[in-house]
Amino acid sequence: DAEITQSPRHKITETGRQVTLACHQTWNHNNMFWYRQDLGHGLRLIHYSYGVQDTNKGEVSDGYSVSRSNTEDLPLTLESAASSQTSVYFCASSETGELFFGEGSRLTVL
Amino acid sequence: EDQVTQSPEALRLQEGESSSLNCSYTVSGLRGLFWYRQDPGKGPEFLFTLYSAGEEKEKERLKATLTKKESFLHITAPKPEDSATYLCAVQAQAAGNKLTFGGGTRVLVKP
Repeated sequence: DAEITQSPRHKITETGRQVTLACHQTWNHNNMFWYRQDLGHGLRLIHYSYGVQDTNKGEVSDGYSVSRSNTEDLPLTLESAASSQTSVYFCASSETGELFFGEGSRLTVL
Repeated sequence: EDQVTQSPEALRLQEGESSSLNCSYTVSGLRGLFWYRQDPGKGPEFLFTLYSAGEEKEKERLKATLTKKESFLHITAPKPEDSATYLCAVQAQAAGNKLTFGGGTRVLVKP
């Protein structure tokens, strides 16, 4: 069965460190998305991609970057982690309609 | 700017006690409205897509309806396994394939 997997599922890091969260999908979808989920804010879009070499900023993109070198992967990088980036991060993919989500990566920045 | 507001934030139900969740939206041209279920520690799981006012979709004890300003998720005779957070999202015609989510409604069904 096709799926979308995220790693690591849990990570603790220190302020200022670079962190990369991996996302891999086997749906062969062109569209991939990164959201963060926080209490009181729901799911907010960080970055998204509509295909290889295409990346776009979402509503909360400051401090994050993505790259798309193939169809299957969209890694999310925090260049210099901040405590405000403590959150649960969800990767998703889609073709034209509904998004299919991964299980999430819980990141704690101390 | 597209906006989605869900109410109530939390809902406690007795098993068998039917209720409705509300999703109000403001969007410049609706392409689709989506309902998801999210269990603790899991990613959102797709339930329904609604495309036009008057449309209805059903799945087991869940029924979603759509008007020009809001959508309702009706839970009929809920069971404890229906306990979850229900998320609503909109896709605007001008927004490509992005979804804008509401804050969700946490539903707890007690036996």
